[in-house]
Amino acid sequence: AQKVTQAQTEISVVEKEDVTLDCVYETRDTTYYLFWYKQPPSGELVFLIRRNSFDEQNEISGRYSWNFQKSTSSFNFTITASQVVDSAVYFCALSMYSGGGADGLTFGKGTHLIIQP
Amino acid sequence: NAGVTQTPKFRILKIGQSMTLQCTQDMNHNYMYWYRQDPGMGLKLIYYSVGAGITDKGEVPNGYNVSRSTTEDFPLRLELAAPSQTSVYFCASGTLAGNTIYFGEGSWLTVV
Repeated sequence: AQKVTQAQTEISVVEKEDVTLDCVYETRDTTYYLFWYKQPPSGELVFLIRRNSFDEQNEISGRYSWNFQKSTSSFNFTITASQVVDSAVYFCALSMYSGGGADGLTFGKGTHLIIQP
Repeated sequence: NAGVTQTPKFRILKIGQSMTLQCTQDMNHNYMYWYRQDPGMGLKLIYYSVGAGITDKGEVPNGYNVSRSTTEDFPLRLELAAPSQTSVYFCASGTLAGNTIYFGEGSWLTVV
């Protein structure tokens, strides 16, 4: 069975601080995919990134970066110089297939990130 | 670029009523899913479908039914609504080798 743990229920930081959201996963599959989604206050789910289990290179996209470490089964997400618009709930998710496949995605419970001005 | 469209966006139901959440995708995806999101609990899979005519239970199927008569449509039926079904419902679609799964905008359902 697959499992995703986001131990941080809520994080509150002041604008311009850096913040890291933790994600730890469990799976018996040797090939798998990890995802991050953002859910702003408006409620929709915004896809941020997908990573496969064979690619441990860190990814950077503007102020966002992701650190994937198979040795610790973690896929952490860092926002540099946070902004109020980053306030949202962030979900980490796991799947055997890049496109979801039959079982879809297994989600963590989410981390509510609050950026204070 | 419609993607995944679900309706209605908001609905209030009385206990014991029934309703159907509609979901349509225009990406010709084989796989479709219904998730529910409860506060602090992430998204949980209710039902999924691997193609027209084929559906299966996810993690939390009790109180729901689905059908998949076409590739595009995957309605979710709530029979005898209960307060425990107050939630946000997301429909999604995907493939085996796509970039991710694609979500609708969500349906907020309150049972009173």
